[in-house]
Amino acid sequence: AQKVTQAQTEISVVEKEDVTLDCVYETRDTTYYLFWYKQPPSGELVFLIRRNSFDEQNEISGRYSWNFQKSTSSFNFTITASQVVDSAVYFCALHTGTASKLTFGTGTRLQVML
Amino acid sequence: DTEVTQTPKHLVMGMTNKKSLKCEQHMGHRAMYWYKQKAKKPPELMFVYSYEKLSINESVPSRFSPECPNSSLLNLHLHALQPEDSALYLCASSQNLLSGNTIYFGEGSWLTVV
Repeated sequence: AQKVTQAQTEISVVEKEDVTLDCVYETRDTTYYLFWYKQPPSGELVFLIRRNSFDEQNEISGRYSWNFQKSTSSFNFTITASQVVDSAVYFCALHTGTASKLTFGTGTRLQVML
Repeated sequence: DTEVTQTPKHLVMGMTNKKSLKCEQHMGHRAMYWYKQKAKKPPELMFVYSYEKLSINESVPSRFSPECPNSSLLNLHLHALQPEDSALYLCASSQNLLSGNTIYFGEGSWLTVV
């Protein structure tokens, strides 16, 4: 069975602070894919990143960075110098070959305040 | 802007009404999805179409009836809904059903059943 845990329900930071969103996953598959999505209040789920299980290279894209560690089954997401526009719910998700659907975590609500 | 377009953005319907949600994508994707999302919860898969054929039905009540007229369009027909069916309905698409493909979501349709 697949499982994704986002232990942080809600995080509040002040603008320009760095913030890390945690994601821990469980799967017995050796081939799998991890995703992060952002959901602003408007409702759309915006795709941010995809990482496959054979690629542990961490990635930086502008103010966003991702830290994938198979040893701890974690795929954490960091926003540097947060902005009010980063306020949203962030979902981590897992897709494996044996499961026919995305398994979502419960989401982390990020509130960035002025 | 999302390349998965959903209409209407908002819908209010009575329990005896018949209405439809519509979804369109022009990315050449051959897999399309309907998800339901209740407040403060992650999206839940309802239906999956692959090459215009229903591939997955997650035991959804028959008052929800999906239809895939062609590879670009996906409809969700609604009839005799209950107030607890009020939710955000998200359409999504991916290149195909292989697990490595990114699933792209639309902006969603906010449904209220009165």
